[in-house]
Amino acid sequence: DQQVKQNSPSLSVQEGRISILNCDYTNSMFDYFLWYKKYPAEGPTFLISISSIKDKNEDGRFTVFLNKSAKHLSLHIVPSQPGDSAVYFCAASDRDDKIIFGKGTRLHILP
Amino acid sequence: ETGVTQTPRHLVMGMTNKKSLKCEQHLGHNAMYWYKQSAKKPLELMFVYNFKEQTENNSVPSRFSPECPNSSHLFLHLHTLQPEDSALYLCASSQVLGTGAEGVSTDTQYFGPGTRLTVL
Repeated sequence: DQQVKQNSPSLSVQEGRISILNCDYTNSMFDYFLWYKKYPAEGPTFLISISSIKDKNEDGRFTVFLNKSAKHLSLHIVPSQPGDSAVYFCAASDRDDKIIFGKGTRLHILP
Repeated sequence: ETGVTQTPRHLVMGMTNKKSLKCEQHLGHNAMYWYKQSAKKPLELMFVYNFKEQTENNSVPSRFSPECPNSSHLFLHLHTLQPEDSALYLCASSQVLGTGAEGVSTDTQYFGPGTRLTVL
């Protein structure tokens, strides 16, 4: 039973456009959400996080939106750049600090 | 479900103890990773092994000692830890792919359930 789901295994976006990566979760006890970016043969790099008391967090080109009622979060990257091509993982944790990762979405920025 | 198992799931140890965390992957992957997850902090990459060779060590204190005897097993040996080392330790594995024509290749990383470590 996947508690954190990234239903799109891959996504292609034109350079300069907005990339939107989606993530759904099932556990209402999750109170902290994170996005990671991963290049091949490297570990994930932390990108941005959001606490359940907020519905938006912005950091430069990256914005994470949280919709608690829908148990959905999304990562927006604008404008998309070639260096953004990577695998993006959504993760969630609860009060026990157990962290659950999604399977990842591969983002491919087209020139 | 993920094909990556970790033992033990919970560990409590004193600062003078020596213990080991074990990770096993059943996915035929060629790379394995150790991460530290502290409360409400981003994941910290500790060690990376590709084809059993350590390729990354992110300034981890020597009281953490990794061992990768084969591509399916990864250990993290612990000795003289500090209370601030208490955290969730996650193991992951992936299949490192060759570089594609577009210059970017991808691999999905599969995480184990983690070992919750408490240092007293």
